[in-house]
Amino acid sequence: GAVVSQHPSWVICKSGTSVKIECRSLDFQATTMFWYRQFPKQSLMLMATSNEGSKATYEQGVEKDKFLINHASLTLSTLTVTSAHPEDSSFYICSASGNRGADTQYFGPGTRLTVL
Amino acid sequence: QKEVEQDPGPLSVPEGAIVSLNCTYSNSAFQYFMWYRQYSRKGPELLMYTYSSGNKEDGRFTAQVDKSSKYISLFIRDSQPSDSATYLCAMSLMTTDSWGKLQFGAGTQVVVTP
Repeated sequence: GAVVSQHPSWVICKSGTSVKIECRSLDFQATTMFWYRQFPKQSLMLMATSNEGSKATYEQGVEKDKFLINHASLTLSTLTVTSAHPEDSSFYICSASGNRGADTQYFGPGTRLTVL
Repeated sequence: QKEVEQDPGPLSVPEGAIVSLNCTYSNSAFQYFMWYRQYSRKGPELLMYTYSSGNKEDGRFTAQVDKSSKYISLFIRDSQPSDSATYLCAMSLMTTDSWGKLQFGAGTQVVVTP
């Protein structure tokens, strides 16, 4: 089946530092990748949509200068949380969609970010 | 009012019982319906997807969509303790502007007791 990986699986950082999270589609080419965040006991909230080779589209309320997204290839997208603060602590999940069917998204295992 | 409503549970069932999950939605334009399973501290795993009203079966799972009532269901037969997880419904408009943007329910926590 479609496999999406994320790295790292968890990260702890100090307030003010930047953190990069990678999302890779391992066995298919992902024309579109999505980034979500999930707070405890809550559902997934879409942050942004990224298409390979173009700028990401951010959802309302998501600061594009704080959450930098790069989709440099058909198998890799990165999310950089710049100048992270404790309120950015969350579970960040990516998903990828490609030639497996329109709108079918396959999710990565998630990255737990804790900002101290 | 949320576009997609889902009872958060928890829903506790004995092993072997049928698990019945459902979501209601308010936007009749939703075209594509999915169910995901999410274990604690893991990403969601796609279980089933469907575009049309009616039933779709895959092993122990049956997905049901009733577009006229704006209601979708997931049934899990012969439930196992390993089915204990949070189940998320998701749906999409499938328009050019909204392609790929999924609206998720809150998720229902299911506990299958041995």
